Amino acid sequence: DQQVKQNSPSLSVQEGRISILNCDYTNSMFDYFLWYKKYPAEGPTFLISISSIKDKNEDGRFTVFLNKSAKHLSLHIVPSQPGDSAVYFCAASFTTDSWGKLQFGAGTQVVVTP
Amino acid sequence: DAGVTQSPTHLIKTRGQQVTLRCSPISGHKSVSWYQQVLGQGPQFIFQYYEKEERGRGNFPDRFSARQFPNYSSELNVNALLLGDSALYLCASSLDGSQPQHFGDGTRLSIL
Repeated sequence: DQQVKQNSPSLSVQEGRISILNCDYTNSMFDYFLWYKKYPAEGPTFLISISSIKDKNEDGRFTVFLNKSAKHLSLHIVPSQPGDSAVYFCAASFTTDSWGKLQFGAGTQVVVTP
Repeated sequence: DAGVTQSPTHLIKTRGQQVTLRCSPISGHKSVSWYQQVLGQGPQFIFQYYEKEERGRGNFPDRFSARQFPNYSSELNVNALLLGDSALYLCASSLDGSQPQHFGDGTRLSIL
């Protein structure tokens, strides 16, 4: 049963523009959400996280927004750069000490074009 | 400092065989998790170990087992391999499981 869903398998965006990646979840008990980025032949790398008590978290070009009532979060990348071309995974956990047992979405392939 | 290292990088097995995958966490990291990533899907949680004890298990059959050694390295064993076990197996580590995990580059397992 997929509790974390990324319904857009791919996204193409021009360099310099905003990339918006979406993620939906079904389990209201999730308390933490993380975004990971994955290049081919490499393991995922952590990007940014957000707690359910917040609705926004920002780190440089990356901002994550959380709408608990809609069970929806999004990752904004501004401005998009060619090096951002990768697969982005949304993940969720119930508590901070369950960050070792993440539930991942299927991923969104982002392609940043010149 | 070395990141999470996994061996082997690639592996080809036939149905019914058994396989052991290995993972060395980042130095100082005591929590190790294993994930299976099937093509086109996100990683699926298999096991987490912390201080050599199993801390969590995902929805995988008993053919899957793991252990963690005193030096915090870990092995994932899969018995009676099925075609559906073909996947990228990812190992991840963190200090104690309450920080973002660092992932290895994975072991690509192909079952013929």
